[in-house]
Amino acid sequence: GAGVSQSPSNKVTEKGKDVELRCDPISGHTALYWYRQSLGQGLEFLIYFQGNSAPDKSGLPSDRFSAERTGGSVSTLTIQRTQQEDSAVYLCASSSHRVYEQYFGPGTRLTVT
Amino acid sequence: GESVGLHLPTLSVQEGDNSIINCAYSNSASDYFIWYKQESGKGPQFIIDIRSNMDKRQGQRVTVLLNKTVKHLSLQIAATQPGDSAVYFCAERAGGYQKVTFGTGTKLQVIP
Repeated sequence: GAGVSQSPSNKVTEKGKDVELRCDPISGHTALYWYRQSLGQGLEFLIYFQGNSAPDKSGLPSDRFSAERTGGSVSTLTIQRTQQEDSAVYLCASSSHRVYEQYFGPGTRLTVT
Repeated sequence: GESVGLHLPTLSVQEGDNSIINCAYSNSASDYFIWYKQESGKGPQFIIDIRSNMDKRQGQRVTVLLNKTVKHLSLQIAATQPGDSAVYFCAERAGGYQKVTFGTGTKLQVIP
């Protein structure tokens, strides 16, 4: 079956604009994660959704960042009033019954000019 | 705070040799560890995992060793190939919590 998909693959935006990044997890996966990866760096946890439970938002760096997951499937990460330091690759992952094994999408490369 | 870190940011290995990538963790409550491989332009991909009640686990050409006494994790790749060139991340999960914490990563360069 299809893996995790993300769109767009690349996004260039001007400072101060809002952006929306989309993640389509693997069908049937109950958990969904968002991470941020700056160039040459590790993975920074942003937010985690598990089924119908309240999301773990502990990794969101500021209130400009928000995410939602509709119908337990597709997720959207929104960054408002983008700043240059938001430039990074945003990765989405999902997992199923073996909760700890995450399947990653290819990422969205965000560039804020 | 809790963290997972790597000793070497870059590792260069001759093709055919064995590679050893190290990882230190600080959370003694972690009970599950994972190694991921990230090739350029792609998302991380699961390689192998190990639970804290084990000290060794083998996969295809890869072995993970866990030393809980010194909170150290390693990934051994046998007969390293050019296709092994990537960034390798270790990750840990603390008991009772599903969120996984990733380390900084080690870049493995295979010299032909």
